Order: sequence, then structure tokens, then C-alpha cells
Amino acid sequence: AQSVAQPEDQVNVAEGNPLTVKCTYSVSGNPYLFWYVQYPNRGLQFLLKYITGDNLVKGSYGFEAEFNKSQTSFHLKKPSALVSDSALYFCAAQAGTALIFGKGTTLSVSS
Amino acid sequence: DGGITQSPKYLFRKEGQNVTLSCEQNLNHDAMYWYRQDPGQGLRLIYYSQIVNDFQKGDIAEGYSVSREKKESFPLTVTSAQKNPTAFYLCASSIDGGSPLHFGNGTRLTVT
Repeated sequence: AQSVAQPEDQVNVAEGNPLTVKCTYSVSGNPYLFWYVQYPNRGLQFLLKYITGDNLVKGSYGFEAEFNKSQTSFHLKKPSALVSDSALYFCAAQAGTALIFGKGTTLSVSS
Repeated sequence: DGGITQSPKYLFRKEGQNVTLSCEQNLNHDAMYWYRQDPGQGLRLIYYSQIVNDFQKGDIAEGYSVSREKKESFPLTVTSAQKNPTAFYLCASSIDGGSPLHFGNGTRLTVT
């Protein structure tokens, strides 16, 4: 079965430090890959998308993601975390006509 | 402003009752989706529609029904056949199947 895995339920980082939220996928072909963020009791907001080309994708709010085809990974990164980045982050892969989502990773940034 | 409106934000129903969740978009998007979110389980696809008067089952369609009579509207009915209906329901739309999704702010349904 096709799937997206986010191996960490929670990531804790101090403000100003770099952050990484991990994602691996098992989807046939060359899927489009996405990162979304969700704040409490809200819908998801699109952060960035990988289709093809450069393995480093830049997105909203200073986030970027690194695509690695051999490891089938698409890790979300930010050089310097902010307290306001604290939220639930979802990785997703396009499989056919709909997205497959990972289970989400809670990012907690402490001041 | 363009966007997706889900109503109501909170919904309470008694077991055995059908309930309909509203989703309206003014983004002129062809594709619309319903996802269910449960703690620690991510988002699971219930139904999706790529065009008016057509829709497809997702991974967990049992106990749910939808209609797509207008491009702007994609209501979801949670029937009494759905065994665990209490959840956070998210509606989304996209220009096409490969474009980023735009989400509504969700409806939290509680069935007792």
C-alpha cells in the first residue's frame, strides 16, 4: 500500500536553532510532494511543493524542504526556528487524483 | 476574499441521526475533497469530486454520502451507518488534481 511516514510525533527545538521535520514516502512513480501546516482548530495551510528539478524547495515563512530520491525522503527544514512556528506539520504525496497524508508531527519551539 | 467556508464550526448530534456538513468555495476550483482528521491518524480521504455531478469514494467512504450539484458546493452527509462519526472534518479544493489544496477551517462533529 502507498503511504507517507512521519517518524516523529513531536519535535522540540529552541528558538533560533535550526529545525528539521522528517518525512519519507512509499508512492509509485514520481509523486508530487507537499508540506502543510495546521494551527489549532483550523484547516491546513500549504507551505511548499516539489514537482521536479532542484532538490531544495523554498516555501512560505522561511521554510524549505530537501528532496532525496534515493532515500524517498522529503524533510522540512528551517534555518532559525521561531516560537510562532509551533504547530502541527503534515507531509503529503500525490497518488493518483488525491493526496496521501502522513500522520503529522507536532513542532514545539521554546523561547 | 476567495476561500472555502465550512459550516457550522461545531455540530452536535444524537446517535442514529444523519447530519449534513456544508462546504462552499468561491475559488472557481474544479476539484473538491472531504477529509476526516482524528488525533494521531493524520487526514483520511472520504470522498472527492473532480467535476460537477461526479464524485469518487476515498479510503473511508462507508457511512458517508456526498453530492456535487454545483461547482461551488460539496456537502457531506454523515449517516447513521457511520460507526465512529465523532471527528474533525475538513473540506478542501484545488484547481486540479496536482495543485495545492486550499482547506476550510473544518467542522468538529460530536455524536453522543
